[in-house]
Amino acid sequence: AQRVTQPEKLLSVFKGAPVELKCNYSYSGSPELFWYVQYSRQRLQLLLRHISRESIKGFTADLNKGETSFHLKKPFAQEEDSAMYFCALTECGYNKLIFGAGTRLAVHP
Amino acid sequence: NAGVTQTPKFRILKIGQSMTLQCTQDMNHNYMYWYRQDPGMGLKLIYYSVGAGITDKGEVPNGYNVSRSTTEDFPLRLELAAPSQTSVYFCASSGQGEVSGYTFGSGTRLTVV
Repeated sequence: AQRVTQPEKLLSVFKGAPVELKCNYSYSGSPELFWYVQYSRQRLQLLLRHISRESIKGFTADLNKGETSFHLKKPFAQEEDSAMYFCALTECGYNKLIFGAGTRLAVHP
Repeated sequence: NAGVTQTPKFRILKIGQSMTLQCTQDMNHNYMYWYRQDPGMGLKLIYYSVGAGITDKGEVPNGYNVSRSTTEDFPLRLELAAPSQTSVYFCASSGQGEVSGYTFGSGTRLTVV
């Protein structure tokens, strides 16, 4: 069965420290992977997707098929990065997203 | 361009009451979804629709019903509210065959007492 695992419920760092939010998935086919972010009292919004290989707000994520991981990274965390981050996958050609449980990132001054 | 609009934003229901959560989108998206988000948990898919007149169950459909009479609207119905349905409900939409991601509504916080 398809599954997305985010092992950390909370990640707490200081401003300027590197950040890595972990995401592992189980899927036998070729998934599309996404990171969504939910800032306080705001709706979920797409942060980035693996097929575009883009960097958004300084965040990057590389799909590692061997390790079935799609970790989200940022070299220098900012206080405004504090939010809930959800990893999600969908099967190629389909639109149904499966979400992980989310990781709350808290960036302290 | 409003995107995905959900109403109401908040609601308190008594056990056994019924209600409909409204969701409408103005992007002409074929795909629409209902998720629930419980505290500390990820989003779980309740129902989804790939177009007007077509709906299908997601991971947690029990206790809910949906309809999709138009492309724009995808209401979620709770017939007999139970405390286990206390959650935040999100509606989302996406374009057909498009994997650029979902557009989410702002959510409905429902409490069943």
